[in-house]
Amino acid sequence: GQNIDQPTEMTATEGAIVQINCTYQTSGFNGLFWYQQHAGEAPTFLSYNVLDGLEEKGRFSSFLSRSKGYSYLLLKELQMKDSASYLCAGLDSNYQLIWGAGTKLIIKP
Amino acid sequence: IAGITQAPTSQILAAGRRMTLRCTQDMRHNAMYWYRQDLGLGLRLIHYSNTAGTTGKGEVPDGYSVSRANTDDFPLTLASAVPSQTSVYFCASSAGVTDTQYFGPGTRLTVL
Repeated sequence: GQNIDQPTEMTATEGAIVQINCTYQTSGFNGLFWYQQHAGEAPTFLSYNVLDGLEEKGRFSSFLSRSKGYSYLLLKELQMKDSASYLCAGLDSNYQLIWGAGTKLIIKP
Repeated sequence: IAGITQAPTSQILAAGRRMTLRCTQDMRHNAMYWYRQDLGLGLRLIHYSNTAGTTGKGEVPDGYSVSRANTDDFPLTLASAVPSQTSVYFCASSAGVTDTQYFGPGTRLTVL
């Protein structure tokens, strides 16, 4: 079956760094997406990885290892506005996104 | 820039009633999707359309139908609503099936 696993909740301190892990098992693989979702709002796109390695975008970076079925999202210099849920999703062989349940990130001052 | 709009924002519906959730995008995207989001679960695909005139079933299609008469609109219909269809519904679109999906603001539906 297809599955995306990520921690349910994480807590971090303002100004610190946090890494949110995601493991995936999909039938075929056409890339890995990360989205941010604030409470009561729609998901918004953060990053996309299809090749192994690190993609950096400002304070956010995303890493992919296809051989391990593993990705992480790295958030640096955390700000209070980063408090949100972070959704990991894998694009399968039918070009459908398989979604994890999301990681709720709580930032403390 | 409007992007994707959904209507209504929220709705309370009696069980057994018919309801259509509307979704319109102005980005000329080929692909459109309907998801539901429930607490503790990931987004689940209900139906999708890779291009105007075609539709397909996702993971949880039962009790829902869609149509894609043109590029911009992708309505989702609940023929006879049941309480288990209480959820937040998101419409999304992408330029192509491998491209980033962009989401509408969502419709919060309660079926009593």
